[in-house]
Amino acid sequence: DQQVKQNSPSLSVQEGRISILNCDYTNSMFDYFLWYKKYPAEGPTFLISISSIKDKNEDGRFTVFLNKSAKHLSLHIVPSQPGDSAVYFCAASAYPSGTYKYIFGTGTRLKVLA
Amino acid sequence: DVKVTQSSRYLVKRTGEKVFLECVQDMDHENMFWYRQDPGLGLRLIYFSYDVKMKEKGDIPEGYSVSREKKERFSLILESASTNQTSMYLCASSDRDRAIKPQHFGDGTRLSIL
Repeated sequence: DQQVKQNSPSLSVQEGRISILNCDYTNSMFDYFLWYKKYPAEGPTFLISISSIKDKNEDGRFTVFLNKSAKHLSLHIVPSQPGDSAVYFCAASAYPSGTYKYIFGTGTRLKVLA
Repeated sequence: DVKVTQSSRYLVKRTGEKVFLECVQDMDHENMFWYRQDPGLGLRLIYFSYDVKMKEKGDIPEGYSVSREKKERFSLILESASTNQTSMYLCASSDRDRAIKPQHFGDGTRLSIL
């Protein structure tokens, strides 16, 4: 049972345009969400997070939106740059349950075309 | 900056061997995690640890064990390696004292079982 789903395995975007990566979840107990970026032969690096008490969090070119009623979050990258080409994982956590576990999605490979 | 170091980037072992993967973090983090990453499956949690000598099973613990004798070191053990354990293994750590903190990852060990 995949509790966190990234239904698009890949996405191609022109440099300078907006990249939108999507993530859906099924567990209403999740209250903290994160996005990680992963380059080949490197470990994932933390990008941005959002708590369930918010619906938007912005950090430079990266914005994460959370729609709790739809159990959906998205990552917007504006403007997209070739260096953003990587695999992006969303992750969810239910911290108040006492666990520090994250549940990761399967990832979306973003390719930004110059 | 948090540094999570995995002892080997690439490892080749034979079926039936006992395999040790080592991970060390330098930020005095209480929580440590072992994941495996496979194409189309994302990151799946094998085991995690809240403290020295503490361990808990993740989502796919079968065929693996762990050891945490010191706070900074978390070892993953493949008791009798099998070909289906060929994968990218990622170690992560996080701070427990601050309620919501991202996990920090090492660069991974690509393990091939022949």
